[in-house]
Amino acid sequence: NAGVTQTPKFQVLKTGQSMTLQCAQDMNHNSMYWYRQDPGMGLRLIYYSASEGTTDKGEVPNGYNVSRLNKREFSLRLESAAPSQTSVYFCASSVSGSIAYEQYFGPGTRLTVT
Amino acid sequence: AQTVTQSQPEMSVQEAETVTLSCTYDTSESDYYLFWYKQPPSRQMILVIRQEAYKQQNATENRFSVNFQKAAKSFSLKISDSQLGDAAMYFCAYRSPLISSGSARQLTFGSGTQLTVLP
Repeated sequence: NAGVTQTPKFQVLKTGQSMTLQCAQDMNHNSMYWYRQDPGMGLRLIYYSASEGTTDKGEVPNGYNVSRLNKREFSLRLESAAPSQTSVYFCASSVSGSIAYEQYFGPGTRLTVT
Repeated sequence: AQTVTQSQPEMSVQEAETVTLSCTYDTSESDYYLFWYKQPPSRQMILVIRQEAYKQQNATENRFSVNFQKAAKSFSLKISDSQLGDAAMYFCAYRSPLISSGSARQLTFGSGTQLTVLP
């Protein structure tokens, strides 16, 4: 049981390049999330998927797109990377979007945009 | 919008001693959840403890306990008998029961407290 996995662990991009961050969970969770973590700050929600086929914007969605490919997988795409998107990105999942359920986090992807 | 404030960027504690990390939050809601997450150097976010706002009893998990003061909107974490493995960044987080536009019950995090455990 791997929990939440993310690929890649590290990535360096040039400004304007695109890439997709992959996330998968094997806990049969319905809800999945993408967060970013910047120095001196807590995690901020980028996008959220309550269930397969639905996505919703979080606090900081600009410059990102997401795809809930199936129940297990939730990808985050940067179409044209900018230095302001240098951050650590975390994927998380929970049984559902209900307040009571704990979110389980992946190990993170450290992205640098030069 | 809810805000979460951790006013101690860094704390240190001697091994086997007790340390308390502070957290305050601002909300107009009456029902919500509060969490403490631990982030060691591995970057993995690990849930330490959770508190339901409607419960008056403070949550405890082994050496970890909270002091939840709902009226004061304060949620501090006490770590007893500190161990070297407790060294990490600790985040306080708030979760709303309501779906607000674009946020869908997200976790709102504080800026974190870096805890050092001295041998």
